[in-house]
Amino acid sequence: EDKVVQSPLSLVVHEGDTVTLNCSYEVTNFRSLLWYKQEKKAPTFLFMLTSSGIEKKSGRLSSILDKKELFSILNITATQTGDSAVYLCAVASGTYKYIFGTGTRLKVLA
Amino acid sequence: DTAVSQTPKYLVTQMGNDKSIKCEQNLGHDTMYWYKQDSKKFLKIMFSYNNKELIINETVPNRFSPKSPDKAHLNLHINSLELGDSAVYFCASSRLGTGAYEQYFGPGTRLTVT
Repeated sequence: EDKVVQSPLSLVVHEGDTVTLNCSYEVTNFRSLLWYKQEKKAPTFLFMLTSSGIEKKSGRLSSILDKKELFSILNITATQTGDSAVYLCAVASGTYKYIFGTGTRLKVLA
Repeated sequence: DTAVSQTPKYLVTQMGNDKSIKCEQNLGHDTMYWYKQDSKKFLKIMFSYNNKELIINETVPNRFSPKSPDKAHLNLHINSLELGDSAVYFCASSRLGTGAYEQYFGPGTRLTVT
């Protein structure tokens, strides 16, 4: 059965810290891995990764995929309270199916 | 100019009732989805539709019936509501092509069954 596992489940850090969120997967017909941020409402898209070893970067956030070891990491440097959210990892399997992990709940303290 | 909209945002109803949630996207996407998110924030796909045609039904009870009158709309009707149906339901859409594309999510409908 396809699965996506995220760790840790939750994390509490102080502003300025750097965090690394992990996502491992076992999915048939892998097409891409996506990261989303969910605050109070809908998940919002952060990154999509399709190739191993190529880092995607947006401001203080970056992510990389390892298709051999079947995992991805999301790094957030110099965290701010506005980074507090649930971070969701999803894997696109085939054309129409996205399998989500359980999410990592990040809380950044001022 | 909301990309993916859902109505209603909140729905409180009693067990046994029938209810509907509507979803519309103005992004011109071909593919739409329904997800259920439980209290632990786990998002599970329920249905995928492409251009009004049902593609994926992830072992959802047949009390749930999606309907897509056109490719911009995907509604969800739920019959005989049960306590376990309480959750947040998200509609999403994406482009379709040879590569994978990110999904755009609606604001969610919080369903509470009492």
